[in-house]
Amino acid sequence: AQSVAQPEDQVNVAEGNPLTVKCTYSVSGNPYLFWYVQYPNRGLQFLLKYITGDNLVKGSYGFEAEFNKSQTSFHLKKPSALVSDSALYFCAVRDNQAGTALIFGKGTTLSVSS
Amino acid sequence: GAVVSQHPSRVICKSGTSVKIECRSLDFQATTMFWYRQFPKQSLMLMATSNEGSKATYEQGVEKDKFLINHASLTLSTLTVTSAHPEDSSFYICSARGSGRSYNEQFFGPGTRLTVL
Repeated sequence: AQSVAQPEDQVNVAEGNPLTVKCTYSVSGNPYLFWYVQYPNRGLQFLLKYITGDNLVKGSYGFEAEFNKSQTSFHLKKPSALVSDSALYFCAVRDNQAGTALIFGKGTTLSVSS
Repeated sequence: GAVVSQHPSRVICKSGTSVKIECRSLDFQATTMFWYRQFPKQSLMLMATSNEGSKATYEQGVEKDKFLINHASLTLSTLTVTSAHPEDSSFYICSARGSGRSYNEQFFGPGTRLTVL
């Protein structure tokens, strides 16, 4: 069975500081990993994905994530946080079998203070 | 990029009525569609997976007769909440997966806020 863990309910950072939002996963096969952001009362916005290839993935709005197979992690990072980055972030995973849906972590609220 | 729309974006209904939510893939053919629900400040929970022309596969604990899913075409899936009750109030989000180059990605609709009075 697939699962995703986001160990932090909330991450607080000051504007301009680097941020990390943690994610670990469990799948039976090779993982497809995603990060999404959600603003209040809005749908999901895609940030980035890892399917194969380079372990460091760069995405939208300056975000990046590193796939670490040995640690089964896919932490989201940004070198310099903005107040506008404050939102709810979801990590999601699925295995590489046909027809399977994305399974989401519980979400991490990122709060960036000015 | 691929666009998925949902209609309505917000609906308020009386307890006991049925509500239909539409999900459309606007610029690609969605071989598979997924329905999720999200409670306030919680994660998205997968409700069901549907493939065009076949019956939906429901996740454990989701009532098939309560949440009717129809995926009649490659661009449209509908979720009908039958005999809605206040506990069905939630944010419902659909997602679509295409074929070919877009197969590995799920594209999400903007969501439908259902409030049952």
